[in-house]
Amino acid sequence: NAGVTQTPKFQVLKTGQSMTLQCAQDMNHNSMYWYRQDPGMGLRLIYYSASEGTTDKGEVPNGYNVSRLNKREFSLRLESAAPSQTSVYFCASSEVGQLGEQYFGPGTRLTVT
Amino acid sequence: RKEVEQDPGPFNVPEGATVAFNCTYSNSASQSFFWYRQDCRKEPKLLMSVYSSGNEDGRFTAQLNRASQYISLLIRDSKLSDSATYLCVVTPTGNQFYFGTGTSLTVIP
Repeated sequence: NAGVTQTPKFQVLKTGQSMTLQCAQDMNHNSMYWYRQDPGMGLRLIYYSASEGTTDKGEVPNGYNVSRLNKREFSLRLESAAPSQTSVYFCASSEVGQLGEQYFGPGTRLTVT
Repeated sequence: RKEVEQDPGPFNVPEGATVAFNCTYSNSASQSFFWYRQDCRKEPKLLMSVYSSGNEDGRFTAQLNRASQYISLLIRDSKLSDSATYLCVVTPTGNQFYFGTGTSLTVIP
């Protein structure tokens, strides 16, 4: 099992460019999450999807959109990247009712210049 | 007040030492608790759940103190490979969860 996979691993964007971060899990989990992690700030939840067909905002949703494409895939889109979105982005998944037991992907390191 | 608070450290301990971290939480109705480990430039990984009665996994012991609203992680006989950041997670309800900002541990030879 691959667990949770993310693409790309690294990305450099110019201000104003758009991109989509991809995430897929093969654990048949219902819930999926997108986080950003910045030095000294810990993990901050951007969006989550409790189940296929639903998405909800987390702590820091501004500037992002998400799509739960199917049960396996949950993508994060930056429509117009800003330097403040330079961060490490993690995708995670968990089983319903087990929010504290999350499995993370390897992360995407994004730099916006 | 933050939902979950951790001392960021860093904790620098010699090999073989015993070290303990605490994580305090604000919601007394919190139900589930977990410890994660995050290596430098890697993703967080679930280390262990924290049960009401306390639980042990090898050199690691997790405990819950509901009266004082904190969980703890004790590492005995520290190894160099234990160097990492340790994150706690608290789930106040079935639909909520909060990560702490992490405690940094460096084990020194």
